[in-house]
Amino acid sequence: NAGVTQTPKFRILKIGQSMTLQCTQDMNHNYMYWYRQDPGMGLKLIYYSVGAGITDKGEVPNGYNVSRSTTEDFPLRLELAAPSQTSVYFCASTNPYGGGGELFFGEGSRLTVL
Amino acid sequence: KNEVEQSPQNLTAQEGEFITINCSYSVGISALHWLQQHPGGGIVSLFMLSSGKKKHGRLIATINIQEKHSSLHITASHPRDSAVYICAVAPVGGAQKLVFGQGTRLTINP
Repeated sequence: NAGVTQTPKFRILKIGQSMTLQCTQDMNHNYMYWYRQDPGMGLKLIYYSVGAGITDKGEVPNGYNVSRSTTEDFPLRLELAAPSQTSVYFCASTNPYGGGGELFFGEGSRLTVL
Repeated sequence: KNEVEQSPQNLTAQEGEFITINCSYSVGISALHWLQQHPGGGIVSLFMLSSGKKKHGRLIATINIQEKHSSLHITASHPRDSAVYICAVAPVGGAQKLVFGQGTRLTINP
């Protein structure tokens, strides 16, 4: 059981470039999240989704976009990368109503914007 | 004031000691999570609580819904328990949008 898989694990971007962080889960979870964690800081919610076709903004959505075309996949798109987006990004999923509510996290994607 | 407050922020102890990390929150919740993050590593879910007490091995988590307080205990602590422990709450009606504490950095010395 793979759980939550994030790619890439590391990436260096130049200012103004764009990229997509991929997140896939194989647990049939409805709820998926993207968080960022800046050095020494707590997790901040970027976007979340409660099911395929439904997405909503979290605390820090500016500069990011998401889509949820399938239950399994929840990619995070960075447009026009800025140094302020240098962070570690975590994808997570859960099924609060049928799966016990336990949270599963991906291993993280470390992004540096230079 | 943050909605989720953890104490202490940093904790250093000797191997074998009994460890307690506290979490207080100010909102009504449907669940509380305890998470573990090793340095430079990923995040692992330790417990999800909505009432009472849970135990996994040397780890025990308790929650008092009336007092809006939870504790994470580690018995017979070991250097491999060194990590950041994060409390997160799911506010009622919040689509499981967790509110995170700042974390407690635990260091267990041999």
